[in-house]
Amino acid sequence: DIQMTQSPSTLSASIADRVTITCRASQSISYWLAWFQQKPGKAPKLLIYRASGLESGVPSRFSGSGSGTEFTLTISSLQPDDFATYYCQQYDNYPWTFGQGTKVEIK
Amino acid sequence: EVQLLESGGGLVQYGGSLRLSCAASGFTFSNYVMSWVRQAPGKGLEWVSGISGTGGSTYYADSVTGRFTISRDNSKNTLYLQMSSLRAEDTAVYYCAAYRAYRMDVWGQGTTVSVSS
Repeated sequence: DIQMTQSPSTLSASIADRVTITCRASQSISYWLAWFQQKPGKAPKLLIYRASGLESGVPSRFSGSGSGTEFTLTISSLQPDDFATYYCQQYDNYPWTFGQGTKVEIK
Repeated sequence: EVQLLESGGGLVQYGGSLRLSCAASGFTFSNYVMSWVRQAPGKGLEWVSGISGTGGSTYYADSVTGRFTISRDNSKNTLYLQMSSLRAEDTAVYYCAAYRAYRMDVWGQGTTVSVSS
């Protein structure tokens, strides 16, 4: 199975900060990577697909990059609504797997 | 409106069985791969199982292989997850999700499964 490792596990940031979350795959997954945002008690929300595709309706301050084994999610200017937990997920090979999550907290 | 609605969760004893359902609406259900994803209390997301549009191919996480069975009824636009030999570590919120146009873009609200020992 492909292991997905996110860093950091927790991130403290302020409004308007630029935030970057990294996700590493244990083997190459090409660009078959998605990013999700999840708030407490809610279903995950798709932000980015195929490593860099911005899902419709998602603000342009979110962006994704990378290929192969290393990927990043960047929030260019953190907004109050962005405090949440973020997950990467590979869908190159079954079983699909998620990273352990990165919680973005208010500094 | 594109929608997924899970049902069937509840409290079950260790070693018991339960069947979850996920009713789809607003899109052509039979065209798309469907998945189950779960989240244990206070933990991260875990992909559990997936099934092709026709139902001919199924996939499972190692943690549930041999105990869970995914299926679908395209005439009823419904996805299922039959869970047996349930363990405490299966306690979670179970989400169904649709994989459309290269992404899991539609998710249900989740149904809670609690396994008591």
